[in-house]
Amino acid sequence: DAGVIQSPRHEVTEMGQEVTLRCKPISGHDYLFWYRQTMMRGLELLIYFNNNVPIDDSGMPEDRFSAKMPNASFSTLKIQPSEPRDSAVYFCASSFKPSAYNEQFFGPGTRLTVL
Amino acid sequence: AQSVTQLGSHVSVSEGALVLLRCNYSSSVPPYLFWYVQYPNQGLQLLLKYTSAATLVKGINGFEAEFKKSETSFHLTKPSAHMSDAAEYFCAVNRGGSYIPTFGRGTSLIVHP
Repeated sequence: DAGVIQSPRHEVTEMGQEVTLRCKPISGHDYLFWYRQTMMRGLELLIYFNNNVPIDDSGMPEDRFSAKMPNASFSTLKIQPSEPRDSAVYFCASSFKPSAYNEQFFGPGTRLTVL
Repeated sequence: AQSVTQLGSHVSVSEGALVLLRCNYSSSVPPYLFWYVQYPNQGLQLLLKYTSAATLVKGINGFEAEFKKSETSFHLTKPSAHMSDAAEYFCAVNRGGSYIPTFGRGTSLIVHP
């Protein structure tokens, strides 16, 4: 398996533009997670899905952020409109059915810069 | 609620020296603990995990961690640091019931020649 795939790896955009980040989880994993990493706040869980259904989106910072998972092999995180404070590295991760033993598998991340 | 505290945002060691990265947790139920490593410009990857089978857990690249319930700690160690160990290390504890991990703030390991 190729692991968790994220695209693009780098995104530079201007304030006010729409940004869409994409993720393909590992085949067979039931859970998908979106994280944001910044120097100031560390690693933050934004939202996670179970079998394509959003379970907890309490970490989504504002209504400008939305996430979807239309099928088991694809998810998007959208920011509209984007702001400079959204600049961060966004990670997607997936895992098997949760148990005490199941770790998360992370993608390489998307580095977003909003000018 | 469960949480994890990593003492020291940066740890600097010389190549060949002992590595000790500290992690303390709080948990109202028996915890499940993980150490992840993040190399520059990469995602996190699992280093080792505590599954209650043994208190001393061995991971990849010569790292190990010891679960000490009396001290609520899960410190990560490696006898001899290598330059390639320079990375960010995250301790994580799962949330009770949902098994969703809570991550610490991370410790940056710097290895000097």
